[in-house]
Amino acid sequence: AQTVTQSQPEMSVQEAETVTLSCTYDTSESDYYLFWYKQPPSRQMILVIRQEAYKQQNATENRFSVNFQKAAKSFSLKISDSQLGDAAMYFCAYRSNNDMRFGAGTRLTVKP
Amino acid sequence: EAQVTQNPRYLITVTGKKLTVTCSQNMNHEYMSWYRQDPGLGLRQIYYSMNVEVTDKGDVPEGYKVSRKEKRNFPLILESPSPNQTSLYFCASSSRTVSSGNTIYFGEGSWLTVV
Repeated sequence: AQTVTQSQPEMSVQEAETVTLSCTYDTSESDYYLFWYKQPPSRQMILVIRQEAYKQQNATENRFSVNFQKAAKSFSLKISDSQLGDAAMYFCAYRSNNDMRFGAGTRLTVKP
Repeated sequence: EAQVTQNPRYLITVTGKKLTVTCSQNMNHEYMSWYRQDPGLGLRQIYYSMNVEVTDKGDVPEGYKVSRKEKRNFPLILESPSPNQTSLYFCASSSRTVSSGNTIYFGEGSWLTVV
C-alpha cells in the first residue's frame, strides 16, 4: 500500500525566514498527484499547492514552492518569507485513482 | 459558491446510539469520500464513492456505513457508535477530470464525541 511519511512532527521558523517541510512517499504507480494542505486552528483543510507527477517542473504558488524529486519519491514544501498566518499543521498527500493518503502532519510554528 | 457541507459540525452522543453525519457537495463531483483525523495519524480514509451507487472501503471502514443514492450526497452512518470513534471527521469530494488536477475539496469537519 502506498504510504506518505512526514518525518518532522514539529518545525519552527522565524518570521520572514524560509522553512522547508519534508515529505516522502512510497508508490509503484507512475501517474499520481501530490498535494500540500494547510490546517489552521479552525481545522479547515486548505489546499496550498499541487504537483502532477508527470510534470518535471516544480509547482509554485506565491511564497510556496515544492521540490519534487520523482526518482527519490520526495516532495518537500518550501515557505519563503514566512508570515504569522502560516502557522498551522501541514499535511502532505498523495493521490492515485481512488487512493488518497495523507502523512501524519507537521506542525509549523512561526516566531515573531 | 463551490462547497462541501457537512452536518452536524459538533456532536456528543452516547455509546450505541445510531447517528448519521450528512455530506453534500454542489460541484457535481463524481468522487466523494470520508476521512477521520486523529492525533499523530493524519487523515485516514473510511469509505469512498466513485459515483452513484458505487462505494468501497477505505483503510478504516469498521463500524461505519455509507450510501450514495444521489450524486451530491454521501452520508456517513455509525450504527452503534463506540468511544474509539471519537474523532474529527471530514467529508471530501473531487472531480475526476485531468483539468481539475484531482484536487480534493474538504468540508469543514465534524467533531464527534462518543461517551
